[in-house]
Amino acid sequence: DAGVTQSPTHLIKTRGQHVTLRCSPISGHKSVSWYQQVLGQGPQFIFQYYEKEERGRGNFPDRFSARQFPNYSSELNVNALLLGDSALYLCASSGTGTQFETQYFGPGTRLLVL
Amino acid sequence: AQSVAQPEDQVNVAEGNPLTVKCTYSVSGNPYLFWYVQYPNRGLQFLLKYITGDNLVKGSYGFEAEFNKSQTSFHLKKPSALVSDSALYFCAVRVLGSSNTGKLIFGQGTTLQVKP
Repeated sequence: DAGVTQSPTHLIKTRGQHVTLRCSPISGHKSVSWYQQVLGQGPQFIFQYYEKEERGRGNFPDRFSARQFPNYSSELNVNALLLGDSALYLCASSGTGTQFETQYFGPGTRLLVL
Repeated sequence: AQSVAQPEDQVNVAEGNPLTVKCTYSVSGNPYLFWYVQYPNRGLQFLLKYITGDNLVKGSYGFEAEFNKSQTSFHLKKPSALVSDSALYFCAVRVLGSSNTGKLIFGQGTTLQVKP
């Protein structure tokens, strides 16, 4: 079975630009979560979506937004990029997003903001 | 506030020796605990989780973890380390009843170096 897929794998942007990252969950999974991993730190929660509705939001500015589509894939959008947005962005999927479930992670998108 | 601590930035062990990677947590309510491994330029791979039941949890690749409620710890262990186990290990927690039902809180990570 295919795991979580993310695109693109790498991205270079300049300050002030906008970026869209994409994620396809494991087949049958309806919940998608997004995390930001800055070099040398553990991943930080950004968003969770389940059945196209936002279930939770981490402590990130409004420049960060996301959505989930009817096929359960998801997009993470970041506007007005800052140098500090440079990070590995991880997508994770799970069945229904409950506390008990394992979240399975994709390979990530590495974003560099210059 | 809920948090996870991994007190060691790096653990060094010789191949064939047992390894332990430490994790402590601070949560209100019952914790749901997870271990993930990250290889260079890769995403996180799930190793094992504790939800309820037996305090010793067995996972992938020969890893196991021991849940200790009184010490609020969830240390990762393996009886005999392999060079291929060298990677970055993350402990994470989720708490029942949180409105953020899918939110994982991660520790800072521990780099495991297994030397031949």
